[in-house]
Amino acid sequence: DGGITQSPKYLFRKEGQNVTLSCEQNLNHDAMYWYRQDPGQGLRLIYYSQIVNDFQKGDIAEGYSVSREKKESFPLTVTSAQKNPTAFYLCASSIVAGVEELFFGEGSRLTVL
Amino acid sequence: AQSVTQLGSHVSVSEGALVLLRCNYSSSVPPYLFWYVQYPNQGLQLLLKYTSAATLVKGINGFEAEFKKSETSFHLTKPSAHMSDAAEYFCAVSDRTSADSWGKFQFGAGTQVVVTP
Repeated sequence: DGGITQSPKYLFRKEGQNVTLSCEQNLNHDAMYWYRQDPGQGLRLIYYSQIVNDFQKGDIAEGYSVSREKKESFPLTVTSAQKNPTAFYLCASSIVAGVEELFFGEGSRLTVL
Repeated sequence: AQSVTQLGSHVSVSEGALVLLRCNYSSSVPPYLFWYVQYPNQGLQLLLKYTSAATLVKGINGFEAEFKKSETSFHLTKPSAHMSDAAEYFCAVSDRTSADSWGKFQFGAGTQVVVTP
């Protein structure tokens, strides 16, 4: 079945540690996105990528980094510079950026201890 | 940049009653609009979308939405609520106002729907 796979589903991190969230899609979509979700704030865009080897900052990119070396993969690193990293992170993809709907993964919940 | 406002963070409806979730957008160009549903600890699932075709859009699970340009609205409705409709609902707009913003989706803050027996 085609879809988006995020891992891990739950992750605990100590303060000062970097952590990488995985996102893989087999939908052959060009565009991929990372969103952060906090209660009552909807989804906020961290980074997005319209093609391989290219990505743009979203509204809350500080403290995060991404790479897009392969079409099917778009990992997100939450660095120690992110002041409040505890959140639910969602990866999504679309056939063409901004035209067709987003397909979402099941999410990764990061908790900083 | 485009933005989306959802009126009401929580809505409580009785089983069998009308579900009405409100969404207003701000846009200087014709928008693409979407409604998504999210169940606890899961990703979002598309309910329906408007992309400049028919203004009344039908989606999955009996939901529909009407695009009203004069009111800059895209409200979501379902004639008869079911217990399984209890979830969080998000309205989203595809930002097509400039080259810098192209490809970005802006989401509303969400509306939590509670269905009572």
